[in-house]
Amino acid sequence: SQQGEEDPQALSIQEGENATMNCSYKTSINNLQWYRQNSGRGLVHLILIRSNEREKHSGRLRVTLDTSKKSSSLLITASRAADTASYFCATDEGYNFNKFYFGSGTKLNVKP
Amino acid sequence: NAGVTQTPKFQVLKTGQSMTLQCAQDMNHEYMSWYRQDPGMGLRLIHYSVGAGITDQGEVPNGYNVSRSTTEDFPLRLLSAAPSQTSVYFCASRRANYGYTFGSGTRLTVV
Repeated sequence: SQQGEEDPQALSIQEGENATMNCSYKTSINNLQWYRQNSGRGLVHLILIRSNEREKHSGRLRVTLDTSKKSSSLLITASRAADTASYFCATDEGYNFNKFYFGSGTKLNVKP
Repeated sequence: NAGVTQTPKFQVLKTGQSMTLQCAQDMNHEYMSWYRQDPGMGLRLIHYSVGAGITDQGEVPNGYNVSRSTTEDFPLRLLSAAPSQTSVYFCASRRANYGYTFGSGTRLTVV
C-alpha cells in the first residue's frame, strides 16, 4: 500500500531545541498531510502540502516536500513540553485522492 | 458546532457478537473515513465514503460493513466480532483539499 513511513520512530529533545521528523512514501501523491496525536486522543490536523508545493509554514511548524525523493519533513522550532505527542504523515494514492494512508508515527518527547 | 461525534467511547464485546459504531459530523463534509489504530501503531483505513450513497473499501475492510445514507452519518458495523478486532476506532471527515477532522475514538475490546 501507499502507507508512509516516519523516521525516527522516537525522538527525545530538550525544550527549546528543534525537532525534525521525516516521512517517506512509495507512489506519487496529490497531497501530504501531517497530524499530531496526544496520548489517548484523536488526531489533530497540522498542515496539508500539495504535490506542487515545496515548503509550507504554520507558526512554529515548517513542512517540506520533495516529490523526486518521495519524502517530506516536519520541523518544529523552539519545542515546548506541550509538543510532546506522536506525529503522523498521511498520503493519498495519487490516482485516488480519496484514500489516505497513515504511517506508524514518530513519538516526540520534549523534556522541560 | 460539535465536529465529529463517535459513540460509544468504550465497548466490550464477546466473540461472535455484532455491533455498530456510530459516527456523525455536523460540518457538511463530503468525505468520511473509518480507521483503526492498534497499540503503538499508525492508523489503517477500513472504509471510506466520498458522499451520501457512495462507499469503498480501504486496507482492512474484512469483517466490517459501512453505509452512508446521509451526509452526516457514517456508521461502521462489525458483523461477527473477533479478538483481532480489538482496537481503537477513529472516524474522520473532511472536505475536498482539506485535512481530516477526527472524532475522539471508540475503544473496543473483543473477548
